[in-house]
Amino acid sequence: GAGVSQSPSNKVTEKGKDVELRCDPISGHTALYWYRQSLGQGLEFLIYFQGNSAPDKSGLPSDRFSAERTGGSVSTLTIQRTQQEDSAVYLCASSLARYEQYFGPGTRLTVT
Amino acid sequence: QKEVEQDPGPLSVPEGAIVSLNCTYSNSAFQYFMWYRQYSRKGPELLMYTYSSGNKEDGRFTAQVDKSSKYISLFIRDSQPSDSATYLCAMTEYNFNKFYFGSGTKLNVKP
Repeated sequence: GAGVSQSPSNKVTEKGKDVELRCDPISGHTALYWYRQSLGQGLEFLIYFQGNSAPDKSGLPSDRFSAERTGGSVSTLTIQRTQQEDSAVYLCASSLARYEQYFGPGTRLTVT
Repeated sequence: QKEVEQDPGPLSVPEGAIVSLNCTYSNSAFQYFMWYRQYSRKGPELLMYTYSSGNKEDGRFTAQVDKSSKYISLFIRDSQPSDSATYLCAMTEYNFNKFYFGSGTKLNVKP
């Protein structure tokens, strides 16, 4: 079956613009995670969705970041007024709320 | 202090060598310990997981967890050039709400 997909695969934007990153999880997976990976860094947790529960937003670095998950499936991560320090690879993962996460290929964001 | 510490390497070994990768952590509530492999420009993929302390073996890979020392290891026997990748440790508490990752160790296995 299909794995986790993310779009776009690459995004170049100007400082100050808003961007939307999309994640399509594996069908039936109740949990969805967003991470940010900067060059040479590990994965930084951003936000976690589990079923219909309120998301855990504790990892969002500022109020310029927001995410939603519609119908318990597709998720969108939005970054408003992008800054150069937002440049990174944004990874999405889904799971059955267990130890095993399935990652998408990521969106490489470059803010110029 | 980071929740999880991992030596970034890079680590370069000849084909056939035994590789040891390690992470330390500070949160005693972590119960599940995972190792992910990430090839360049790809998402991480799960290699192995261990629940609580102990060893787990899968083919050429062995994962060890020592909760008393807050130290986990991944051993790769008979390393192959195809093992060249970045290896990330990850851990979480019993509820899987949040996963904490190490910074990753870049491994290069030379033919």
